[in-house]
Amino acid sequence: DIQMTQSPSSVSASIGDRVTITCRASQGVGTWLTWYQQKSGKAPKLLIYAVSSLQSGVPSRFSGSGSGTDFTLTISNLQPEDFATYYCQQANSFPLTFGGGTKVEIK
Amino acid sequence: QVQLQESGPGLVKPSETLSLTCSVSGGSINSFYWTWIRQAPGKGLQWIGYISYTGSTSYNPSLKSRVTISVDTSKNQFSLKLSSVTAADTAVYYCAREGPTVGNAYDFWGQGTMVTVSS
Repeated sequence: DIQMTQSPSSVSASIGDRVTITCRASQGVGTWLTWYQQKSGKAPKLLIYAVSSLQSGVPSRFSGSGSGTDFTLTISNLQPEDFATYYCQQANSFPLTFGGGTKVEIK
Repeated sequence: QVQLQESGPGLVKPSETLSLTCSVSGGSINSFYWTWIRQAPGKGLQWIGYISYTGSTSYNPSLKSRVTISVDTSKNQFSLKLSSVTAADTAVYYCAREGPTVGNAYDFWGQGTMVTVSS
């Protein structure tokens, strides 16, 4: 299985901050890298697919980058509704696997 | 707008079979891949497996011996069966659609249903 390691596991930030979350795969996943946002008690929401493609309706302050095994989700100008847990997921090979999550908390 | 809704028992006894159904509305199940994902309390997400509208499946090897995913196109539903459950199978179970233009990502999700395994 491809292991997905996210860091940090949690981050405290203020409104307006720039937040960067890293996801590292144990082997290359090509462009099959997705980011989700999950708020407490809710289903995950698709933010970014194929490394850097923004899902329709997602604010442009979210961006993704990376290649091979190292990927980044950046939230620019953090807004109150962005406090949540973020997961990366690889779809390069079965079984599909998720990172452990990064919780973005209010400082 | 596509909507997914999970249904099934919220409590299952150990060693029994967990059975859930995902009803799809606002679109046909006769396309795409349909997936089950679970999340144990306070934990991360685990991919269980998928089924295509043609019935082809892929399962997580860690669950493969116990999992069956099936589709009923006439009812626009797909289902999950997980046999011989233990407390470790207690989780919120989500159904989701692998979107056609989002690179093997899940663009629509059900709200999730909590299943507790306990006697």
